Amino acid sequence: AQSVAQPEDQVNVAEGNPLTVKCTYSVSGNPYLFWYVQYPNRGLQFLLKYITGDNLVKGSYGFEAEFNKSQTSFHLKKPSALVSDSALYFCAGGFPNFGNEKLTFGTGTRLTIIP
Amino acid sequence: DTGVSQNPRHKITKRGQNVTFRCDPISEHNRLYWYRQTLGQGPEFLTYFQNEAQLEKSRLLSDRFSAERPKGSFSTLEIQRTEQGDSAMYLCASSLPGQGTYEQYFGPGTRLTVT
Repeated sequence: AQSVAQPEDQVNVAEGNPLTVKCTYSVSGNPYLFWYVQYPNRGLQFLLKYITGDNLVKGSYGFEAEFNKSQTSFHLKKPSALVSDSALYFCAGGFPNFGNEKLTFGTGTRLTIIP
Repeated sequence: DTGVSQNPRHKITKRGQNVTFRCDPISEHNRLYWYRQTLGQGPEFLTYFQNEAQLEKSRLLSDRFSAERPKGSFSTLEIQRTEQGDSAMYLCASSLPGQGTYEQYFGPGTRLTVT
């Protein structure tokens, strides 16, 4: 069965430092991969996606992610963290071989940016 | 584009009662999805529609749950004979797949508390 894993429940980064939020997936075939961010009392907001093509994708608010097929990873990155980046981040995958209409989410990583 | 809206935002009900939630997708989106999110977990897929047709249902969706999208626009999710285990955030999302745009846009959710 397809799955998405976020190995870190919590990530703390000092403001201005680079940040990485990790995501790995398990499936045969080529997944569609997404990152979403969730602020308190608000819905999930779409950040970026990998469908095909260039392995480095850029998204909203200065975030980017790199698709690595050999490591089955899709880590979220930002060169310089802001306090306003503090939120709950979810990685999600849609898997065409199994019907990509539904997204399978990781358990989330709480990112805290320390001023 | 006013985004995905959900009503009510909060619902408190007693065990055994029926509840109904409404989702209004982004107007031109033909796909509509329901997910459930419990504390500390990522959203879990429940069901999805393409226009008015319900194309897939998760095993999580017991026979107490029913979803409709009668005219291919808004959707309702009904839970009959609610149980305490139904307490969760119910999220609705919509999309218009094609030309590389596979991301789903989420509403703010309806938080259900069953007492």
